[in-house]
Amino acid sequence: QQQVKQSPQSLIVQKGGISIINCAYENTAFDYFPWYQQFPGKGPALLIAIRPDVSEKKEGRFTISFNKSAKQFSLHIMDSQPGDSATYFCAARREFTGGGNKLTFGTGTQLKVEL
Amino acid sequence: DVKVTQSSRYLVKRTGEKVFLECVQDMDHENMFWYRQDPGLGLRLIYFSYDVKMKEKGDIPEGYSVSREKKERFSLILESASTNQTSMYLCASSLSLFIQTEAFFGQGTRLTVV
Repeated sequence: QQQVKQSPQSLIVQKGGISIINCAYENTAFDYFPWYQQFPGKGPALLIAIRPDVSEKKEGRFTISFNKSAKQFSLHIMDSQPGDSATYFCAARREFTGGGNKLTFGTGTQLKVEL
Repeated sequence: DVKVTQSSRYLVKRTGEKVFLECVQDMDHENMFWYRQDPGLGLRLIYFSYDVKMKEKGDIPEGYSVSREKKERFSLILESASTNQTSMYLCASSLSLFIQTEAFFGQGTRLTVV
C-alpha cells in the first residue's frame, strides 16, 4: 500500500516553463513534508520542506503548496532550467514516541527540462 | 560538511552469499535508515534504528537484517542474497529532537546478485 502517492512519473518541460509535481497522503499522523532532489549517481538531497500548519513555502524558484484538508501537496518549479533535470521525491515524516522518526517516500518523478 | 558514507559504490555477489552493506555517519544522529531504490517504486524503507542496538522493521524487511552496535554505524545484512535483491541501496541518517529534521543520504550502493 503506497502511503504517499506521487504523480506524474515523468515530466518534460521547456526551459523557462513551470514544472508541477503532485503528492497525496492518507496518514494524518504525518507532521513534516519534505521534497528531495536526486541527480544521477547521487543520493537524494533535501530541496525544500513544509509543516502542515503552513499553506505555502517558497525558496527561490521552488514553492511547495500544501492543502491539509485534501491531504495533498505539490512542488512548483518556476522558470525551469536544464540544471533542474533530476528525479524528485516527495516524502512525509511520522514521529514516534521515544524520539524516532521515519520518512515515507513517493515513487518519484523524473523531470527533464529541454532547451 | 555533513557526511553519510557507504562502504561500496558497486557490489556483485552470488546467489546465496551473505552480504554486508556498511554505513557510517559523522553527524552524531540518532536515527539511521536503510532504503532500497527501484525504478517506478521510489525509495522503500527496509529497516531503521533510532538508537544504538535498537531497530525497527520498515515496509520491506523480508530477507534483510540490520545491526547497530555503535551510534555512527548501521549495517544492512542480506543473509542469503537472491536475484530479486538486486537494487540500489541507500543509507540515511537524521536527528530526532527537532521537528524540521533533514535526512542526509549516502551516495548509494548498487548491488547486483547473480
